[in-house]
Amino acid sequence: SQQGEEDPQALSIQEGENATMNCSYKTSINNLQWYKQNSGRGLVHLILIRSNEREKHSGRLRVTLDTSKKSSSLLITASRAADTASYFCATDKRGIQGAQKLVFGQGTRLTINP
Amino acid sequence: DAGVTQSPTHLIKTRGQQVTLRCSPKSGHDTVSWYQQALGQGPQFIFQYYEEEERQRGNFPDRFSGHQFPNYSSELNVNALLLGDSALYLCASSWGSREQFFGPGTRLTVL
Repeated sequence: SQQGEEDPQALSIQEGENATMNCSYKTSINNLQWYKQNSGRGLVHLILIRSNEREKHSGRLRVTLDTSKKSSSLLITASRAADTASYFCATDKRGIQGAQKLVFGQGTRLTINP
Repeated sequence: DAGVTQSPTHLIKTRGQQVTLRCSPKSGHDTVSWYQQALGQGPQFIFQYYEEEERQRGNFPDRFSGHQFPNYSSELNVNALLLGDSALYLCASSWGSREQFFGPGTRLTVL
């Protein structure tokens, strides 16, 4: 079953605008990661934020994590056409023997219009 | 430095057949995880291999099995294919339990 839920399911903005996507999850986590996927191809790792961190930046990306609300947000500033993709949050659930199992949400489909 | 590679890129099978998908991890990685992604959905964890053993398994039937070789590469086998097995199969590698890097995936179509 899916642990995370992304909101919105689809987002369409103009090039140059900022895009914000949200993710909520249900159980405690070790860390939360955001991935980008172009047209049903492989996932590209964007950023990882640990459970004891509240905010993290990477280039035009800013991720926040609120463990009390079990939610995270991904902000992409100054959007470009190449940002058009699906974005997924994934929570890290440690299983038996320390195995890392990523649990994904259903994703946000982001479209950047020229 | 080659990333995670998967083969084949696309595959078409018929119901009841068996399929084998292959994955080579990123250099230096020793752990391989497999995920299934149905159209319009997020990836779902199938299982993870470490030291040639299945370390954890998701909610998938025994028709899904795997193997990890001494060079850390891995195979995913699916027996008695069903229409519902049509999906993108993603392999991810990591060093232990650190962040996972994904391959481009294998698109499986079951007719």
